[in-house]
Amino acid sequence: DQQVKQNSPSLSVQEGRISILNCDYTNSMFDYFLWYKKYPAEGPTFLISISSIKDKNEDGRFTVFLNKSAKHLSLHIVPSQPGDSAVYFCAASFYGGSQGNLIFGKGTKLSVKP
Amino acid sequence: DARVTQTPRDKVTEMGQEVTMRCQPILGHNTVFWYRQTMMQGLELLAYFRNRAPLDDSGMPKDRFSAEMPDATLATLKIQPSEPRDSAVYFCASGPQTGDPSTDTQYFGPGTRLTVL
Repeated sequence: DQQVKQNSPSLSVQEGRISILNCDYTNSMFDYFLWYKKYPAEGPTFLISISSIKDKNEDGRFTVFLNKSAKHLSLHIVPSQPGDSAVYFCAASFYGGSQGNLIFGKGTKLSVKP
Repeated sequence: DARVTQTPRDKVTEMGQEVTMRCQPILGHNTVFWYRQTMMQGLELLAYFRNRAPLDDSGMPKDRFSAEMPDATLATLKIQPSEPRDSAVYFCASGPQTGDPSTDTQYFGPGTRLTVL
């Protein structure tokens, strides 16, 4: 049973518009959430994270929102650029007890069209 | 620019053969992770080590997979015998794991693409 779910395998967005990638989780013990970006033939790279004590974290064009009651987080990219085209993985961790290992979703492939 | 390196990048082998994948973590990182990526399962954690000691290998098929860290600069993942269902991309990641999640980012290598015929 997947504890971290990304229900949209793919998303297509026009350059300059907002991209919204969604992620749901089932384990209320998760206390830290991350987004990783992956280009073809490369390993995932860390993008942005959020602690469960916050509901928003922003870094440039990237903002992550956390709704703990709904067990839902989302990544907003504004404005979207063609170089953002990649697979985005949502990940969660129970940092208090699991020494930091991550549970990943299956990923969402974002295509940003010029 | 410190990076995690993995060898080989690609491996094609026949069913029943032994496969060994190697990883050099970033110098100074005390935790090494092995992941497998497949279309069906996404990124799955297979095993991880802290200070070279195995902490969790519950994600690994025990009968054919083994993971070791012979020294701080080398982690290995071995499959013996390999099967077609093992075909996947295997990633190694390392991290400092200081206890502060805001700094304990995992850094991934480029992966080993394994094809078992």
